[in-house]
Amino acid sequence: DIVMTQTPLSSPVTLGQPASISCRSSQSLVHSDGNTYLSWLQQRPGQPPRLLIYKISNRFSGVPDRFSGSGAGTDFTLKISRVEAEDVGVYYCMQATQSITFGQGTRLEIK
Amino acid sequence: QVQLQESGPGLVKPSQTLSLTCTVSGGSISSGSYYWSWIRQPAGKGLEWIGRIYTSGSTNYNPSLKSRVTISVDTSKNQFSLKLSSVTAADTAVYYCARGIGYGGRWFDPWGQGTLVTVSS
Repeated sequence: DIVMTQTPLSSPVTLGQPASISCRSSQSLVHSDGNTYLSWLQQRPGQPPRLLIYKISNRFSGVPDRFSGSGAGTDFTLKISRVEAEDVGVYYCMQATQSITFGQGTRLEIK
Repeated sequence: QVQLQESGPGLVKPSQTLSLTCTVSGGSISSGSYYWSWIRQPAGKGLEWIGRIYTSGSTNYNPSLKSRVTISVDTSKNQFSLKLSSVTAADTAVYYCARGIGYGGRWFDPWGQGTLVTVSS
């Protein structure tokens, strides 16, 4: 199994300030087809997860441009340029290169 | 747009089989190159992928659950289903269904709202 490790597990952020979440995989996520199947999901309180980013850096339809993804190989980052109140929730990275596994989640909260 | 809705018993006894159904609305389950997945989340914990089915009927399962999981599809009802056998309290969780899109269905959208299944006598 590919293990996904997120840091930090909790991130208190001031409204309007940036936030960053890291995700590291136990092995490279580069698939034999050349793609890297790393996505990011947001789970607001009491809601199902929602797709934010796929293939490292592609914002999904309807996702605000303050969300961005980057990285390669085994190290990936989700950034929020200016945190808004609606961004509160838990963020998960997910790999689908070899089976499907998730990070343990990072809780974003407002200071 | 496509919407998914989970349904099934909210309480299952230990050692029995958990059975859930996901109903797809707003589109045909057999149109497009989609994979249909089950994912679960114990209370206050993270997400665990259970398995998926392609519209052709081919399946992939999480190796850690493979011996107990069966996922099937009923295109006539626009539904796919999950069976998890020999359940224990560790299987208590919110169970989500989701559509896998993109290359090989490798990212999920949309998700159902989830259904809580409790394993208890």
